[in-house]
Amino acid sequence: AQTVTQSQPEMSVQEAETVTLSCTYDTSESDYYLFWYKQPPSRQMILVIRQEAYKQQNATENRFSVNFQKAAKSFSLKISDSQLGDAAMYFCAYRSPPYNTGKLIFGQGTTLQVKP
Amino acid sequence: DARVTQTPRHKVTEMGQEVTMRCQPILGHNTVFWYRQTMMQGLELLAYFRNRAPLDDSGMPKDRFSAEMPDATLATLKIQPSEPRDSAVYFCASGRRTATGNTIYFGEGSWLTVV
Repeated sequence: AQTVTQSQPEMSVQEAETVTLSCTYDTSESDYYLFWYKQPPSRQMILVIRQEAYKQQNATENRFSVNFQKAAKSFSLKISDSQLGDAAMYFCAYRSPPYNTGKLIFGQGTTLQVKP
Repeated sequence: DARVTQTPRHKVTEMGQEVTMRCQPILGHNTVFWYRQTMMQGLELLAYFRNRAPLDDSGMPKDRFSAEMPDATLATLKIQPSEPRDSAVYFCASGRRTATGNTIYFGEGSWLTVV
């Protein structure tokens, strides 16, 4: 079974600085999808960034980028120029391809604090 | 903007009562997930459907929980009888395969309190 592990329960960063959130996963599948979701206090789950495993190029979305290391099964999220609005819980998620189970599973989450 | 709609947003009920949570997936999405979020357990996958057929409900307590998709526009999660330990936020999410990837979109959640 696939598992997702986020080893940092809490992280903090100074406003305008850069922070990296870690995520590792375990799978025997070669084709899959990885996501980072942001959950602010409102509890809304907001997609931050997505990576397809077959793509070697790391995904980027404005100030958010990932470091995808397929062999190491690592998928970290880098937030550049951190803003107060980035404070939230961040979840790493793994999805099996639709032609398999298509199941979407989450890590335990990392709470990010942004200090002014 | 297309979005996943969940009702009720908040529910307080007494132990032993039946609770039904509803979800309207985004039109055209063929995969629907139900998650439960608690402080202790995090985000747990309860059940999910593809093309209205249940694919996996192994994360769901079978004795009191049931999930169905009576049609493509409605998914339901029922708890009968409810217990205080069921207090949590329940999320519905939907998705479909596209040429650009597989993105899952979440509803705003149903906050359940069982007293």
